[in-house]
Amino acid sequence: AQSVSQHNHHVILSEAASLELGCNYSYGGTVNLFWYVQYPGQHLQLLLKYFSGDPLVKGIKGFEAEFIKSKFSFNLRKPSVQWSDTAEYFCAVIPTDSWGKLQFGSGTQVVVTP
Amino acid sequence: GAVVSQHPSWVICKSGTSVKIECRSLDFQATTMFWYRQFPKQSLMLMATSNEGSKATYEQGVEKDKFLINHASLTLSTLTVTSAHPEDSSFYICSARDRSGYNEQFFGPGTRLTVL
Repeated sequence: AQSVSQHNHHVILSEAASLELGCNYSYGGTVNLFWYVQYPGQHLQLLLKYFSGDPLVKGIKGFEAEFIKSKFSFNLRKPSVQWSDTAEYFCAVIPTDSWGKLQFGSGTQVVVTP
Repeated sequence: GAVVSQHPSWVICKSGTSVKIECRSLDFQATTMFWYRQFPKQSLMLMATSNEGSKATYEQGVEKDKFLINHASLTLSTLTVTSAHPEDSSFYICSARDRSGYNEQFFGPGTRLTVL
């Protein structure tokens, strides 16, 4: 079945460490790709998105993601995390034939310790 | 930026009653709104797609008679959970896509439903 996979369910790291969250999808054809963040008690916020063009996308709060078409991947990175980055991170995909429906990955809980 | 609101933010109701949740796009017109359900520690699961002026389309396994969706205007969609039961307790989130047609959805803050 077509899906979006996030390989890490929980990540714990210290402040100033680098973060990379994996995301792979299994849809063929053109896709739109997103990373959302959900801080504790808050609603989903868009970190960054990829529609076309430069496969290295820069988002808010120092996050970036790289689309590698050959690997069907859209991994999220941040060189140096802060305690305030503690949150749940969701990768999401809109396949071209899905009428704009977002397909979410299972999410990765990131805990940054001081 | 695009803002989506939901009301109420939380609701507690008795089993057997119906609950209505509103989703509003505050500063843009949304031809399409989506309703999601999120269980604790899990991802968002799409329940239905709501298009202004037409019937909602439901995902497989979602009971359309139990989760009534109305998208009466370009800024308002409602989800009514009819004859709610404890297993309907969940976090319900809506999102809205603006008329530009770009595939970006803006999410509401969610509604926590607890059915006793």
